[in-house]
Order: sequence, then C-alpha cells, then structure tokens
Amino acid sequence: EVQLMQSGTEVKKPGESLKISCKGSGYSFSTYWIAWVRQMPGKGLELMGVIYPGDSDTRYTPSFQGQVTISADKSINTAYLQWSSLRASDTAIYYCARRAETYEYFVTWGQGTLVTVSS
Amino acid sequence: DIQMTQSPSTLSASVGDRVTITCRASQSITRWLAWYQQKPGKAPNLLIYKASSLESGVPSRFSGSGSGTEFTLTISSLQPDDFATYYCQQYNSNPLTFGGGTKVEIK
Repeated sequence: EVQLMQSGTEVKKPGESLKISCKGSGYSFSTYWIAWVRQMPGKGLELMGVIYPGDSDTRYTPSFQGQVTISADKSINTAYLQWSSLRASDTAIYYCARRAETYEYFVTWGQGTLVTVSS
Repeated sequence: DIQMTQSPSTLSASVGDRVTITCRASQSITRWLAWYQQKPGKAPNLLIYKASSLESGVPSRFSGSGSGTEFTLTISSLQPDDFATYYCQQYNSNPLTFGGGTKVEIK
C-alpha cells in the first residue's frame, strides 16, 4: 500500500526554525514527484512546491520561493519542508502529496502536519 | 497564473439530491483538471482526473465533465458520506492552482 507518513504537530514561536517531514512507503520513492501543499485555517489548498527525490530537482510556486526550503533524502524515502524563521502567518496544516506518474495531479496524500506559530 | 473559480462556495442539499459543482478556469486548460474531496480534519482525496476519469475506488455516483474553461463535478444521488468540501485543480500549466472550494452541507 502506498503511504505518506508525516511528522507530528508543531508549536513554535515567531522567529524559530522548523523542519517537517514526509516519509513514503510502498512504492519507489525516488521516481515520483512529491508536493507540499498549505492549507491555512478555514481556507483552501495552495501548492508550495514540488521535488523529485531521485535527483532533488525542486520547483517552487513563485509566492513561496525564498520563504521555505524543500528537500529530500532518497536513502530514507523522506521529503522535508523547512523554515528558517517562522511567522505567525505560517500557521497552517501542511500536506505532502505524491504526484501521478505522468501528470501533475495528486494521487496519495499524507495525513497533514499542523504547524502553529504563536508568541 | 491560471485562476480557478468554483461556484457555489457553499451548497445545501439533502440525501438523494443530484448535486452539481462548477469550476471555471481563467484560460483554457483543455481537460487537465482534477477534483478532490476533503472531509473535516482529513487530507484531500482524489476523485477525478483529466476532467472525467474516475479514480479507482471512487463510487460511480461521482462524475466529471467539461473542457476548455468550464467544468462540472456531479454527484448523481448525494449520500451521507458525501458531505464535504470539494476542490478543483488545474494541471495545464505551472504554477498548479486550486479552486477556492465548494462546501456541501446538509439541508
């Protein structure tokens, strides 16, 4: 069974750094693009960026470029989303999702990681 | 960027109703459109891709249609498990974008 398992809930203060993870299982992790999607409280879905774990080719949606870093370690089947300095506006649920093999829709999703940033 | 606009934003319906949700793209996306269902506290779930192809395991009461700039998701007979929020997503061009969502509520 294809699964994406995300790291747990985080509560952070503004200015702190954070790295959350998404571990894939049940498929060849290196050969499928992984996306990170933000959902702010009560709002819709926003694609942040995607990464191809096989060679770490990474593409960001322009509004998220420079705000976060997406990375992956194919040796442990894990993708990451990282912030160097959190803001209150980063409070959201973050989902990782596996793209379809050929086309850019998302077949399998992680359970989500809630990040709360508050002083 | 391609803007995706869903209507209505909220829909009240009863079990057994036929429900239609519309998604409009700001420019042609041919048929590169997916639909997802999201229940409260859960991740989205893929229902339909390429505008009308039903994802494996999704009940046949769900169907999609459309091309170009206008698309619809139809639930032929609403079931209790279908009360959720539905999102469309275009994958014609980057950045990939989602519609704002349609919440289907119990009437």
